[in-house]
Amino acid sequence: QVQLVESGGGVVQPGTSLRLSCAASGFTFSDYPMHWVRQAPGKGLECVAIISRDANYIYYADSVKGRFTISRDNSKNTVYLQMHSLRVEDAAVYFCAWGSQYYFESWGQGTLLTVSS
Amino acid sequence: QSALTQPRSVSGSPGQSVTISCAGTTSDVGGYNYVSWYQQHPGQAPKVMIYDVTKRPSGVPDRFSGSKSGKTASLTISGLQADDEADYYCCSYVGGYSFVFGGGTKLTVL
Repeated sequence: QVQLVESGGGVVQPGTSLRLSCAASGFTFSDYPMHWVRQAPGKGLECVAIISRDANYIYYADSVKGRFTISRDNSKNTVYLQMHSLRVEDAAVYFCAWGSQYYFESWGQGTLLTVSS
Repeated sequence: QSALTQPRSVSGSPGQSVTISCAGTTSDVGGYNYVSWYQQHPGQAPKVMIYDVTKRPSGVPDRFSGSKSGKTASLTISGLQADDEADYYCCSYVGGYSFVFGGGTKLTVL
């Protein structure tokens, strides 16, 4: 059974940095791309970052490009999201998501980021 | 990539059917047969209800069905039940491992 467990969220001030982690199990992690999707309070879903299985292809939403970095450690079955220069508008629940085909089969429970002065 | 267009809300009485639309472009919905739909109850993670336009994952009731015509996909829920009340999001593959979501539709069961 696929399991995704996010961690690292919290309350931070604007301009600071934070790293999120997502530990995966139940599938061959190194065979698949991984995604970070966020949801601001009361808002919809937004794909933030994607990393291919070998990290050779990486995509960022325009809203986070240049500030966020996605990475993965296939030996630890973990994907990371390093966030710098955080803004109030980055506040959201951040989900880790996975799919073996062209949709998201499994989601983590999410980790909450609050950005406030 | 702009978000797909969904109605903000729909409603129906128990036992009735409702349809949620998802309008896109030739670069997303119209260009790929990889539209998926997600149900999200408050405080929970999204759950896939439909994938590849019309396919249902194991465990999803056949009251949920999907279709697509041109650049617009649709989710139909028949025999509405109280537990169907949730937010629903469409999603389309757009190439290069990337996806775009719709803005979400709040379904109210009257």
